[in-house]
Amino acid sequence: DAKTTQPPSMDCAEGRAANLPCNHSTISGNEYVYWYRQIHSQGPQYIIHGLKNNETNEMASLIITEDRKSSTLILPHATLRDTAVYYCIVREYGNKLVFGAGTILRVKS
Amino acid sequence: GAGVSQSPSNKVTEKGKDVELRCDPISGHTALYWYRQSLGQGLEFLIYFQGNSAPDKSGLPSDRFSAERTGGSVSTLTIQRTQQEDSAVYLCASSLEGLEAEAFFGQGTRLTVV
Repeated sequence: DAKTTQPPSMDCAEGRAANLPCNHSTISGNEYVYWYRQIHSQGPQYIIHGLKNNETNEMASLIITEDRKSSTLILPHATLRDTAVYYCIVREYGNKLVFGAGTILRVKS
Repeated sequence: GAGVSQSPSNKVTEKGKDVELRCDPISGHTALYWYRQSLGQGLEFLIYFQGNSAPDKSGLPSDRFSAERTGGSVSTLTIQRTQQEDSAVYLCASSLEGLEAEAFFGQGTRLTVV
């Protein structure tokens, strides 16, 4: 019952910015957008989250459109270690985290 | 420990046996999740404990699956009469309550039913 749509895979050159899109057209006013990633054979790792405003931390930036129906996760300088599955999640009422299929990001040298 | 701890890290069991998987969340975290991930697949939500509220069991695939959280801390996921299709990595996560809290995941228990 994931409420987000992401491309199944993307490639990015090492050192370049990786821009991962996510559509969440049915998001409601008090739902947050979260991004997690899962590197092979590891548990998922939190990256960033936001409600309305753009957010930035040491890992990434999150750009949310004004209508909140889509967002983009930006890894400013992708490295080979950023190769992972990236999950965009809209948090449902009751705080349950539901993961969709995600985007496989391949960073290539 | 500093993170979410799961045990055992690997479990091989015979079809039809019961298994118990344990999760020790981060101290003070009131929310706890269980997920499972089959080979090459995404994360499948199983159950969610949030503070003193009734757990959200909507993801449990059958009545062979159950989970408890004792004293608001340690959680045990029990699978009765295991089947081969239960083979997967079972992941536990914990977080503080609230929409802004990030979830921290353990390394998972790899269950193999033979």
